[in-house]
Amino acid sequence: GAGVSQSPSNKVTEKGKDVELRCDPISGHTALYWYRQSLGQGLEFLIYFQGNSAPDKSGLPSDRFSAERTGGSVSTLTIQRTQQEDSAVYLCASSWDSGQPQHFGDGTRLSIL
Amino acid sequence: AQTVTQSQPEMSVQEAETVTLSCTYDTSESNYYLFWYKQPPSRQMILVIRQEAYKQQNATENRFSVNFQKAAKSFSLKISDSQLGDTAMYFCAFMKHSGGGADGLTFGKGTHLIIQP
Repeated sequence: GAGVSQSPSNKVTEKGKDVELRCDPISGHTALYWYRQSLGQGLEFLIYFQGNSAPDKSGLPSDRFSAERTGGSVSTLTIQRTQQEDSAVYLCASSWDSGQPQHFGDGTRLSIL
Repeated sequence: AQTVTQSQPEMSVQEAETVTLSCTYDTSESNYYLFWYKQPPSRQMILVIRQEAYKQQNATENRFSVNFQKAAKSFSLKISDSQLGDTAMYFCAFMKHSGGGADGLTFGKGTHLIIQP
């Protein structure tokens, strides 16, 4: 596709369940980013991939959060044992190289009941 | 660590007017990028304009221009001839220039811009 694709668009789940969010970046983009957007915290940077590797995972909020990227393309963000404070919009972005403008997907709105 | 401050939570202007959104930042980095992103109700973040810190010339994109004052760490966005479609949240963002490591954007809290007909 022409842009960054994220799925699902919306996800509602019960507290304690695991969720997996998917991001398909623009073809050829080597850098991929995850952000979280919530009313209380604004936009927070979570993690960055250059190719398949994530040099710095310190932005992930807790050890319940993990992310991987395979084949230098699709990335998944996994949240285990979800809590209500995980409710937010999770945005993915990609760029053709680090330092270049990032192009964002439409996000996944996650609601934890 | 970097911080980005947008001091105007909300602004409202009439269509066709010019509006300026403020942004200040704090960093110890000497080489970095600054961005303005727009987020309409559809939720997608759209790049409006980009400025490289080493460039003295202010960036312009059609009706959008910036006033970049590096010494003052200020990066304001001017929208000329505002249009109804400009109604959105506007985020100022900072990214350090590095050869590796975490190159994520640091965002301000945003300014909700409303263009009145």
